Amino acid sequence: GDSVTQMEGPVTLSEEAFLTINCTYTATGYPSLFWYVQYPGEGLQLLLKATKADDKGSNKGFEATYRKETTSFHLEKGSVQVSDSAVYFCALSDTTSGTYKYIFGTGTRLKVLA
Amino acid sequence: DGGITQSPKYLFRKEGQNVTLSCEQNLNHDAMYWYRQDPGQGLRLIYYSQIVNDFQKGDIAEGYSVSREKKESFPLTVTSAQKNPTAFYLCASTKTGVGETQYFGPGTRLLVL
Repeated sequence: GDSVTQMEGPVTLSEEAFLTINCTYTATGYPSLFWYVQYPGEGLQLLLKATKADDKGSNKGFEATYRKETTSFHLEKGSVQVSDSAVYFCALSDTTSGTYKYIFGTGTRLKVLA
Repeated sequence: DGGITQSPKYLFRKEGQNVTLSCEQNLNHDAMYWYRQDPGQGLRLIYYSQIVNDFQKGDIAEGYSVSREKKESFPLTVTSAQKNPTAFYLCASTKTGVGETQYFGPGTRLLVL
C-alpha cells in the first residue's frame, strides 16, 4: 500500500541555518504531496503542497519539489527562525481508487536555537 | 470564519465509560476524518466518511464508533472497549477531489482518570 517515510528527528539547528527534512513516498497511482506543520497542542496546518511531478510548493520561505523520478518531496528553508520550531509532517493523497485517504509520515521535530 | 471546531479541548474518561468527541465543520466539505495521535508519533486513521450516512473503518477502528447524520458533523465515541484511549484526537475534513487539502481542527486531548 501507499506509504510515506520521513527522516527521524529531532533536528536541532541554530537560527539562520539551512533546513532540509527528507521525505520519500511509495504510491501506486499519481499522488498529491503535502507538508503540514504542527505547533504544540494544536492541530495540523498546511504548509505547502504539490499536485503533479516537477511542481514546486512554497510558503513562508519553505519549499519542496515533487520529484517523481526519486519519489521524494524534501522540505527546505534557507534560513530558519526560532518561530519555525514545530513538528513537520509529510503526507500524500492518492485518489486513484476513489477513496480520499491521506497517508502521513511519522513527523520530524525541528528545534531552532537562538 | 470557516473552519473545523472540536470540543471539548480536554476530556476525562472514567473506567468503563463511553465518551463522545464533537467535530463540526462549516467548510461544506464532503469528507471527514478522525485521527489518533500519541506522543511523539504520527497520525493513525480511526474512521473516515466521504458522504453523509456512510463511513469506513480506518487502521485502528476497534473500540471506537462514529456517525455521520449531517454533512457538518462527525462525532467520535470512544467506547469502554478501547483499553488505552489516552491520546490527542484530531478531526479533519476535505473536499473530494484530486489534490485537495485536508483541514484540521484544534484537537481534543483525552485522559483517563
